[in-house]
Formats: sequence, structure tokens, C-alpha cells
Amino acid sequence: DQQVKQNSPSLSVQEGRISILNCDYTNSMFDYFLWYKKYPAEGPTFLISISSIKDKNEDGRFTVFLNKSAKHLSLHIVPSQPGDSAVYFCAAQLAEYGNKLVFGAGTILRVKS
Amino acid sequence: EADIYQTPRYLVIGTGKKITLECSQTMGHDKMYWYQQDPGMELHLIHYSYGVNSTEKGDLSSESTVSRIRTEHFPLTLESARPSHTSQYLCASSELYANTGELFFGEGSRLTVL
Repeated sequence: DQQVKQNSPSLSVQEGRISILNCDYTNSMFDYFLWYKKYPAEGPTFLISISSIKDKNEDGRFTVFLNKSAKHLSLHIVPSQPGDSAVYFCAAQLAEYGNKLVFGAGTILRVKS
Repeated sequence: EADIYQTPRYLVIGTGKKITLECSQTMGHDKMYWYQQDPGMELHLIHYSYGVNSTEKGDLSSESTVSRIRTEHFPLTLESARPSHTSQYLCASSELYANTGELFFGEGSRLTVL
């Protein structure tokens, strides 16, 4: 049962434009959501997170939006840069599961210069 | 910058061999995790630990075993490797009372079993 879904395997964006990566989840009890970024041959690194009690969190060029009624979150990158090209994983946490993370399958972002 | 290290980074081995993937962290984190990931797929939790002498099975069943004798060390062992074990194995750690879910990952160990 896949609780976190990233339905777009890949996304290609022109440098300077906005990148929007989407994530859907099925468990309404998730209380924290995170985005991780992964370059080839490296481990994932934490990018940005949002608590379920908020609908938006911003950090520089990165903004995460949470729509609890739709069980949907998105990551916006503005402006996109070639160095943003990586795999982006959406993850969700459930406190009663000991704060273990459930990951999506990732979206490959390619930013063209 | 995270200080969590995995060795070997790449391993090609024959069926039936015993292998141990090493994971060490220097951040003093109590929680440690092993995730397994196939290309284009989700990261699946296979083992985790909340501290010394604590080990638990994750959400994905795995034939591997782990041990936590020291806080900084969380090795994963496969007694008899099979081709179905071919995958990338990612080790991670976090603070015991961090409720934001932020994990620090190692660079991964890519295992190929022939």
C-alpha cells in the first residue's frame, strides 16, 4: 500500500522558470512532510519541511505548500537553476509510528540552461 | 554537513557470500535507520534502532540483520547473498527527540549479487 505517491517520474524545466513538484498521500494522520534532494551517487539531503498545521513554508527559492483537504503537497522552486537538477523525494511522518518516514518514489528534475 | 559514512560504496559479490555493510555516524545520534531503494522506486525502511542494543524490523521485510553495539555504528549483514538482494542500501540517523523527521543520510552502498 503506497501511502506517499509522486506521480510524475520526471520533469524538465527551463532555467529561470518555476519548477513544481507534486506529491499525494493517503494517510490523513501524517503530521509532518519533508522534501529531500538526491544527486547521483550521493545520499538524500534534507531540503525543506512543513508541519501539518501549516499550509505554506518558505526557504529562499524553495516553498512547500500543503493542502490537507486534498491530501496534496507541492514543492515550488523559483527561479530554477541547473544545479537544482536532481531527484526529489517527498516523505511523510506519522508520530505514532515513531517518527519513521514514508517516502515517495521520487521525481527527476532536469533544469535546462 | 552530515557526518555519516557508509562502506563499501559499491560491492559486486557472488551468490551465497556473507556481506556486511558498514555505517558509522559521528553526530552522536541515537536513532539510526537502514533504507533499501531500487531505481525509480520508493525508499523502504528495513531496519531501525533507537539506541544501543535496540533494533527493530522496518516496514519492508528483509533477510538482512543489524546490530547496535555502539551508538555510532549500525552495520547490516546478509548471511547468504542472493541476486534478489541486489539494491542500494542507505543508512541514516537522527536525533532521538527530533520530531520533524529530518534524517541525515549516508552516500549509500550499492550491492550487486551475481
